[in-house]
Amino acid sequence: GAGVSQSPRYKVTKRGQDVALRCDPISGHVSLYWYRQALGQGPEFLTYFNYEAQQDKSGLPNDRFSAERPEGSISTLTIQRTEQRDSAMYRCASSFRVNTEAFFGQGTRLTVV
Amino acid sequence: QQQVKQSPQSLIVQKGGISIINCAYENTAFDYFPWYQQFPGKGPALLIAIRPDVSEKKEGRFTISFNKSAKQFSLHIMDSQPGDSATYFCAASRTDSSYKLIFGSGTRLLVRP
Repeated sequence: GAGVSQSPRYKVTKRGQDVALRCDPISGHVSLYWYRQALGQGPEFLTYFNYEAQQDKSGLPNDRFSAERPEGSISTLTIQRTEQRDSAMYRCASSFRVNTEAFFGQGTRLTVV
Repeated sequence: QQQVKQSPQSLIVQKGGISIINCAYENTAFDYFPWYQQFPGKGPALLIAIRPDVSEKKEGRFTISFNKSAKQFSLHIMDSQPGDSATYFCAASRTDSSYKLIFGSGTRLLVRP
């Protein structure tokens, strides 16, 4: 596609439910990043993939958060047993390779009620 | 631990004026310093970036000034226009690793007509 596509754009879930957020990177981009952005703050790094390999997951807050990119293209960020503090904008970014410009998607706004 | 500190939090400038946003970093291993522009409802978009081997980079009305010894860098927007009204984020990363971006907290710029 023309840009990084994320779905859904908005997700409201009840506390304790699992959610899966999808990222479709720009075609041909091998590097993919997940960030979380709280209101009024800058994006905070969560995890990074190079092709299908998860190279860095140091930003994942706890073991309820996981991500995968099984075929080196689409990625899914999964949050299990959601809590209210998980409410934020989740942004995906991709780049052609690791040392080139990262392009951000419009994000998924997650609200846990 | 906040590794990139950004100021001011908000800025109001008259049309035609100069907007200046400052950032300071802690990790001397950082070697890539981009600025991102974010409009409401959109993802951050790369505006301009600098590496520490130069002290200044200019692209159109946008200039980054970089002071390696002080571990500071700033964005100058010359002849500011109402269309420049957005949130600006500085960031830093290490190019010898995953290129994950460490963002500042953002500056909301309003340019009055």
